[in-house]
Amino acid sequence: QKEVEQNSGPLSVPEGAIASLNCTYSDRGSQSFFWYRQYSGKSPELIMFIYSNGDKEDGRFTAQLNKASQYVSLLIRDSQPSDSATYLCAVKARTGGFKTIFGAGTRLFVKA
Amino acid sequence: GAGVSQTPSNKVTEKGKYVELRCDPISGHTALYWYRQSLGQGPEFLIYFQGTGAADDSGLPNDRFFAVRPEGSVSTLKIQRTERGDSAVYLCASSLTRASDTGELFFGEGSRLTVL
Repeated sequence: QKEVEQNSGPLSVPEGAIASLNCTYSDRGSQSFFWYRQYSGKSPELIMFIYSNGDKEDGRFTAQLNKASQYVSLLIRDSQPSDSATYLCAVKARTGGFKTIFGAGTRLFVKA
Repeated sequence: GAGVSQTPSNKVTEKGKYVELRCDPISGHTALYWYRQSLGQGPEFLIYFQGTGAADDSGLPNDRFFAVRPEGSVSTLKIQRTERGDSAVYLCASSLTRASDTGELFFGEGSRLTVL
């Protein structure tokens, strides 16, 4: 079992729709959860982080965490073509000195 | 500098050669990570430094790979006897590690390694 799992996609949504991205993780001791966006040929950049169960909203982005189910999600409301990118779920695991582990990423396409 | 700096940005080498990739983190960042990213994949963890010491090197694929951070700032990833399968983008990231920090990783632009 991979430490952080994501559906590789691609996920295609029309402009203005809600994009829903999901991630599961294996280490129950994980404490911090992150969503990074990576445009083609560029390095990852942080969009959201979440530590506590529940929802966290920042503009058009909402991160959701359910530690009991070991599940993290990212919702993007009013999706724009500029949101087209790969979204990487990352987990700061307790094992191994709190290193940050990434999932394989989900490719999102927003059609104009 | 303001961000994480990686050199070289591109490196083409022949199978069997030795390669060094350098990372200069954001000033004051105590944590430094090396990741490897192949096309269509997420960043694969290689090694993580806290200060000068390697806190976790479990991601290094074999003993051809080695990384150092002698003064707790600049780090060098060293690859001996390169193989074609080593071709990838090598990403360096740094972060603060105070309890109040978010744990956000700041990435460099990467070093693209091509082994012919």
